[in-house]
Amino acid sequence: DIQMTQSPSTLSASVGDRVTITCRASQSISTWLAWYQQKPGKAPNLLIYKASTLESGVPSRFSGSGSGTEFTLTITSLQPDDFATYYCQQYNSYPYTFGQGTRLEIK
Amino acid sequence: QVQLQQWGAGLLKPSETLSLTCAVYGGSFSGYYWTWIRQSPGKGLEWIGEINHSGNTNYTPSLKSRVTLSVDMSKSQFSLKLSSVTAADTAVYYCARGRTGDWIFDYWGQGALVTVSS
Repeated sequence: DIQMTQSPSTLSASVGDRVTITCRASQSISTWLAWYQQKPGKAPNLLIYKASTLESGVPSRFSGSGSGTEFTLTITSLQPDDFATYYCQQYNSYPYTFGQGTRLEIK
Repeated sequence: QVQLQQWGAGLLKPSETLSLTCAVYGGSFSGYYWTWIRQSPGKGLEWIGEINHSGNTNYTPSLKSRVTLSVDMSKSQFSLKLSSVTAADTAVYYCARGRTGDWIFDYWGQGALVTVSS
């Protein structure tokens, strides 16, 4: 299985800040990577796929980059609604696997 | 607008079989991979498996011997059965739509907490 490792596990930030979350794959996954946002008690919500393609309806302050084994999710100008947990997911090969999550909390 | 609505038993005893069903409203049922994912505090998000409208399946190896996915095209529903459950299977189970070509999950059910306890 491909292991996905996110860092940091927890990130404290303020409204208006720019934050970056990193996701590393245990082997190359090209750009077959997605990012999801999850709020308590809710299902994950797709933000970005193919490493950098923004899902329809997702605000442009979210962006993704990377290829191979290292990827980043960047949120510019944090909004109150952005405080949540973020997960990366690889779909390069079965079984699809997720990172352990990064909790973005208000400083 | 696509909606996924799931249901099933929430409390099981060890060795019983978990059974969940997910109904798809809106959009096409064909052309997608219908997926089950679970989330537990200990293991995070775990992809269980997927099935398409023709019944083609893929499963995660660690659960393959205990998982059965099925589909009912006439009702736009798909189902998960997980046999011989243990406490380690306690989790929130989600159904989701896997988008063919991108292989990502763009619509999710509301989630169902399944607890295994004697």
